[in-house]
Amino acid sequence: DAGVTQSPTHLIKTRGQQVTLRCSPKSGHDTVSWYQQALGQGPQFIFQYYEEEERQRGNFPDRFSGHQFPNYSSELNVNALLLGDSALYLCASSLGGLGRNQPQHFGDGTRLSIL
Amino acid sequence: AQTVTQSQPEMSVQEAETVTLSCTYDTSESDYYLFWYKQPPSRQMILVIRQEAYKQQNATENRFSVNFQKAAKSFSLKISDSQLGDAAMYFCAYRRGQGGSEKLVFGKGTKLTVNP
Repeated sequence: DAGVTQSPTHLIKTRGQQVTLRCSPKSGHDTVSWYQQALGQGPQFIFQYYEEEERQRGNFPDRFSGHQFPNYSSELNVNALLLGDSALYLCASSLGGLGRNQPQHFGDGTRLSIL
Repeated sequence: AQTVTQSQPEMSVQEAETVTLSCTYDTSESDYYLFWYKQPPSRQMILVIRQEAYKQQNATENRFSVNFQKAAKSFSLKISDSQLGDAAMYFCAYRRGQGGSEKLVFGKGTKLTVNP
């Protein structure tokens, strides 16, 4: 049973560039959440996708956008990269739907470094 | 807004001993879930234990148990018979309950070192 998979593992970009991170949820899961974890901090919620729509968003600028595909996989896009965007980006999947309080399962993350 | 506070940036324990990690949270809601996640250097966030706020009984998972004090908004994690593999960052997390969003709110974490 495949868990949550993220790609790439590590990425190096320069300021002003754009980046796309990818996530495949655990088999049977339909909800994907993205988190940003700065060095030495706990993860911060970016947004969540369910039924191909953004269901909730954290306190992140519009430079952060996402998408969910019919097979439930998801992408996180970040435009106009800043040095402060350097972080570990975690994807978590769960079985969604209102009232279905299932725990989230996390991937290994993508380490994004901005030069 | 809900907040989660972990007041111990670092903790250490001798192998086979017991250690307790602290967590407090702030919420005005009555229905919520609390979690402890473990993050080893491999980076993957692993669920250790989960507590539903409406349950008075403290959750246990093998060597891991919690002390849930709802009135005090306290949720500590006890690790018994500590093993070298327990060394990791531990994060306390909060989530609203039934019908609410599934967003997790994390604390800043506690780094646990296990000494042989």
